[in-house]
Amino acid sequence: DVKVTQSSRYLVKRTGEKVFLECVQDMDHENMFWYRQDPGLGLRLIYFSYDVKMKEKGDIPEGYSVSREKKERFSLILESASTNQTSMYLCASSFSWEKLFFGSGTQLSVL
Amino acid sequence: GDSVTQMEGPVTLSEEAFLTINCTYTATGYPSLFWYVQYPGEGLQLLLKATKADDKGSNKGFEATYRKETTSFHLEKGSVQVSDSAVYFCALRADSSASKIIFGSGTRLSIRP
Repeated sequence: DVKVTQSSRYLVKRTGEKVFLECVQDMDHENMFWYRQDPGLGLRLIYFSYDVKMKEKGDIPEGYSVSREKKERFSLILESASTNQTSMYLCASSFSWEKLFFGSGTQLSVL
Repeated sequence: GDSVTQMEGPVTLSEEAFLTINCTYTATGYPSLFWYVQYPGEGLQLLLKATKADDKGSNKGFEATYRKETTSFHLEKGSVQVSDSAVYFCALRADSSASKIIFGSGTRLSIRP
């Protein structure tokens, strides 16, 4: 089975801190995604990557950046965390665009 | 733009009841449609999909039929179990060139024993 691993299940940070969320997949997938999940809003795409060092903005990229130096790893970076970035962050990977494999999420609280 | 609208939850049913979760979509192309499920403490996983009009996706007793005339993809199950308690997301990929999947807001389902 495909395994998508997110480095932390819960994370608490202070306003203004730089935050790194890490995601690793073990199935050699080309595509990787970062979503945030908020009650009543569902999942919103932040960034995705279809190859190493390639990235594309999703629907809500403001305040975030990403890094993909190796195929298996896709990092989400909050340059200066703010309280409105408190959310559940979900990483996903896929071989085709038809089926995404998700990690179990990181619940980030920014105080 | 492309979007997915699904019924608000939470939905609470008794075991063995019939389930329907409504989903409608707006898309300019010929989308593929999906239902994903998120069990407590886990990430989302694909439950079923349909890629063209009149296709029926099915898995684990769940079914959904792609209705182009009503732009709908309602999720149904004839007899739910406690283990079906989860959040269900309807989603679409607008067409074969689209590089992302758009998700609805999710519907929380709770099944009483």
